[in-house]
Amino acid sequence: DQQVKQNSPSLSVQEGRISILNCDYTNSMFDYFLWYKKYPAEGPTFLISISSIKDKNEDGRFTVFLNKSAKHLSLHIVPSQPGDSAVYFCAASVRNYGQNFVFGPGTRLSVLP
Amino acid sequence: DGGITQSPKYLFRKEGQNVTLSCEQNLNHDAMYWYRQDPGQGLRLIYYSQIVNDFQKGDIAEGYSVSREKKESFPLTVTSAQKNPTAFYLCASSLDGTTNEKLFFGSGTQLSVL
Repeated sequence: DQQVKQNSPSLSVQEGRISILNCDYTNSMFDYFLWYKKYPAEGPTFLISISSIKDKNEDGRFTVFLNKSAKHLSLHIVPSQPGDSAVYFCAASVRNYGQNFVFGPGTRLSVLP
Repeated sequence: DGGITQSPKYLFRKEGQNVTLSCEQNLNHDAMYWYRQDPGQGLRLIYYSQIVNDFQKGDIAEGYSVSREKKESFPLTVTSAQKNPTAFYLCASSLDGTTNEKLFFGSGTQLSVL
């Protein structure tokens, strides 16, 4: 049973437009969420995180929104650039409870020029 | 330049053979982790270590073994007991293993069975 779901395996967006990647979770104990970006044959790199005490966190072109009641978070990329084409993983954890990151299956984003 | 180094980048295993994947970090992080990635799946935790000479099983530890003799190093051995070893293996580290700070990942090792 997947505790962290990313229901869209892939997404295509035109350059300059907004990319919205979604993530749903089932465990209400999760209180810390992260997004990672991964290029082929490379390790994931950290993008942005959000704690459950917030509903939004912004870093440049990247914004993460958290809806705790719906157990849903989303990553917005504005404007999208071809270099953003990668696989994006959502991860969730229970903070201060030791190593407990749970990763979603990832969404492959393609930004078309 | 601080980071995590995994080697080799590609590795082939014969039937019945044990192979060891190397992971070294110079970030002075206490905690280190091994994850496995299969196509279409998220990263799954194999083993983790919060401190030298101590490590814990993750969700899919069967068929794997680790050691943590030095803070900088966390090698993973894929034993012959692991019946489906073909996957992309990722090593990661974090400052400590208790507050779930972000993970830093190496570039991965692709293991294939001959």
